[in-house]
Amino acid sequence: GQQLNQSPQSMFIQEGEDVSMNCTSSSIFNTWLWYKQDPGEGPVLLIALYKAGELTSNGRLTAQFGITRKDSFLNISASIPSDVGIYFCAGPLNTGTASKLTFGTGTRLQVTL
Amino acid sequence: NAGVTQTPKFQVLKTGQSMTLQCAQDMNHNSMYWYRQDPGMGLRLIYYSASEGTTDKGEVPNGYNVSRLNKREFSLRLESAAPSQTSVYFCASNTNSPLHFGNGTRLTVT
Repeated sequence: GQQLNQSPQSMFIQEGEDVSMNCTSSSIFNTWLWYKQDPGEGPVLLIALYKAGELTSNGRLTAQFGITRKDSFLNISASIPSDVGIYFCAGPLNTGTASKLTFGTGTRLQVTL
Repeated sequence: NAGVTQTPKFQVLKTGQSMTLQCAQDMNHNSMYWYRQDPGMGLRLIYYSASEGTTDKGEVPNGYNVSRLNKREFSLRLESAAPSQTSVYFCASNTNSPLHFGNGTRLTVT
């Protein structure tokens, strides 16, 4: 079953505001991934984190790999309308020949003008 | 520049009917996956294929079968559809890299 919990589940913010969301796990992960899903499309990778404590940015997005390796955080600065969508964290189910991922339940972001 | 292509985009089935969801990737990826997405539950892995010729169960395989037809194509079959299989189905692929997803098939079983 699901191993990753995301919060908040949804949020309404005004354009220009900063956004923070997080993802926690009962298990240790060696990789944390953040995906965004636009309406009617598949998820697209935003940021990948590979080391505890790592802080990585992609434009207005910044993600951090928690020190305990059981959590990760995603921040969006100065939100714009196209930031609307569902944000998923993900981590590998186990190591093996395929990169099977387990996904969080998602944070739905809506941006108002 | 197609990436991962899924067909059909939408499908309505009656309980007990069968159908096959198609997926093809043009990125020469070794591994392919089928996920389902349900409200409030994120994406859950149904089946995956680590390489051509192999398939394995994911988290929620019951009621489904898969075929890795060749390196490009990975199909998902519902032999006897049930309302609980109403969902959005995503195919994905990769080779030692983060997953690339298709745009999904929205399936409704009545």
